[in-house]
Order: sequence, then C-alpha cells, then structure tokens
Amino acid sequence: EAGVTQFPSHSVIEKGQTVTLRCDPISGHDNLYWYRRVMGKEIKFLLHFVKESKQDESGMPNNRFLAERTGGTYSTLKVQPAELEDSGVYFCASSHDILLSGANVLTFGAGSRLTVL
Amino acid sequence: AQKVTQAQTEISVVEKEDVTLDCVYETRDTTYYLFWYKQPPSGELVFLIRRNSFDEQNEISGRYSWNFQKSTSSFNFTITASQVVDSAVYFCALSEAPETSGSRLTFGEGTQLTVNP
Repeated sequence: EAGVTQFPSHSVIEKGQTVTLRCDPISGHDNLYWYRRVMGKEIKFLLHFVKESKQDESGMPNNRFLAERTGGTYSTLKVQPAELEDSGVYFCASSHDILLSGANVLTFGAGSRLTVL
Repeated sequence: AQKVTQAQTEISVVEKEDVTLDCVYETRDTTYYLFWYKQPPSGELVFLIRRNSFDEQNEISGRYSWNFQKSTSSFNFTITASQVVDSAVYFCALSEAPETSGSRLTFGEGTQLTVNP
C-alpha cells in the first residue's frame, strides 16, 4: 500500500510569494490532517478534513493559509502571501474513519519543507 | 489545555547502551491516548505505539519498551541495547477522545537521539 505522499519535498520562495503544498493520502482514508513544525519546535495541528469537509480548522494561523480537499481525495495547502515566520516543515497525515478502537493512528508523510527568504 | 513536554532536546549514546526518552503530559480529560512516533532522517513520522488512559500496563516490543504512569503523568520510552539505526527524532504525542478531538494530536518538541558506533 502506498503511503502518504507530499509534494514538493522542499520549496524556497521569497517573502510575498505564493506556495502550494500538496498531499496525497492513503487511498480510502477519509481523515486528512495538516500539521506544521516551525524552527525545531513541537509539531502543531493546523486542520482536519473528513472527506472534503473541514472538520476542524482551529489550528490555522491566519487567513493567509487556505486548505482544500476537492472530491475528498488529495489536499492542497496554499500560503499567500508567504511571510518569514511561515518557514518550517508541513506534514500531512491520514487515517481511516475507525473509532471503535479509540483514537485513530495517523500515517504521516515525509513533510514539505518551506523556506521563506 | 493539553501539553506534552519532552525535556531532553538531544541525547547521545554509544551503541549497545540503554537509553530512556522522557515524556510528561498534561490533560484534564479522563479519556485520552498517548503515542510515540519516530522521525528517521528520511523525514516521515513512523508510528511506534498507542496507549489509552485506562491501560497502564507497560509494553515491550523487541528492544523497545514503554512505561506509562498516570500518577506522574509520564509515558517514557526505553530502547535497550541501542543501535545506530535507532538514531532519529522521537516525538511523544497526546490525543483526547476522538469524539471530541477527531484524533487531533498534541506533540512534544521531540528528542534527537544519536547512537554512535
């Protein structure tokens, strides 16, 4: 089974530019999450999709960030315009919608490293 | 609010030594889940273990073992006879009951483990 795939693996842009990160979850996983790790700190939750719907976007830092999941398959995270503090590693994760056994185990991708100059 | 603290930022050991990674958590919930993830140099977060708050039994998996103590709000991870391949960043994480949080994870800042030959 293919894992969670993220693209690009690394993006370097200048302040004010736009970047779009893509995540392809494991096929059949209804739940898709975005997380971010900034400057070696803790990994922080950004938002959670269930199929194409945003279940929880309480972690999105501001309105420069826009996440979409058209058709409930892959997801994109757009940062526009990018600021210096947006630099970090953006992780995507997915899971089945199985709650019988408790909290879902998330399968993570390798992350997209964003550097804003 | 939930919080996970991994006080050890970096640990360096020599191969075959035992090493313990500490994790202390804070939550007001009676039902919660604890996780450990490993991030090898390739970047993806690899799931190691999930433990729910009602199961305080210690767990052993090969050279890995976990000690969950609710009395001290700790969920420590021990690697016995460490190997170079164990070198990675290890993250401890906490999740509320999935009905309330959608399995959103709160991570610690991670511990960089380096095992030298």
